[in-house]
Amino acid sequence: QSVLTQPPSASGTPGQRVTISCSGSRSNLGTNNVNWYQQLPGTAPKLLIYSNNQRPSGVPVRFSGSKSGTSASLAISGLQSEDETHYYCATWDDSLNGSYVFGTGTKVTVL
Amino acid sequence: EVQLVQSGAEVKKPGKSLKISCKGSGYSFSTYWIGWVRQMPGKGLEWMGIIYPGDSETRYSPSFQGQVTISADKSISTAYLQWSSLKASDTAVYYCARLDTRAYYYWGQGTLVTVSS
Repeated sequence: QSVLTQPPSASGTPGQRVTISCSGSRSNLGTNNVNWYQQLPGTAPKLLIYSNNQRPSGVPVRFSGSKSGTSASLAISGLQSEDETHYYCATWDDSLNGSYVFGTGTKVTVL
Repeated sequence: EVQLVQSGAEVKKPGKSLKISCKGSGYSFSTYWIGWVRQMPGKGLEWMGIIYPGDSETRYSPSFQGQVTISADKSISTAYLQWSSLKASDTAVYYCARLDTRAYYYWGQGTLVTVSS
């Protein structure tokens, strides 16, 4: 099982703000920056947020990230139907041979 | 344009060996780490390990150490993931991805490996 814990699901109506949490420990989120990935069905993951709160070129501004201590969160403001998919947090873990670790994943549903 | 193109889907029997590939183009292949990620059917993402093609330095997740071998041939800009004896539990989609500023920005399209008798 993953060392980063996310809620299995989150939901909201179009236009609402949805937040996804990611909980870790001192050796991972407590020491390293968090990245967030979006994965549409049948496709490769897409980098959504890197270094806690940075958006790669082309990622809509409605996606934002933050980190505090051993927890992180991804916020989707102005939820849209195309945001309905899976999201994963990820970071490096200094206690696991410097491994990269993914969160358990959260399925966002647009009601 | 940076691209990572993976080899096609494979169907293998338990106990057989397999090597899948990930070919990079549009950048200096030798100077970026390439990671491998497993996704079992209906499950989440699992990081397997990483290789630096420039000198073939490799690191494995403790969960995958000894279970797979990661290698690279920088002369043909290709990274590999291989198994010596497949198990049914190796059935999954495997992704390669390029490491940029400690995050994976460029991804391959994925290779589906099915292990079944």
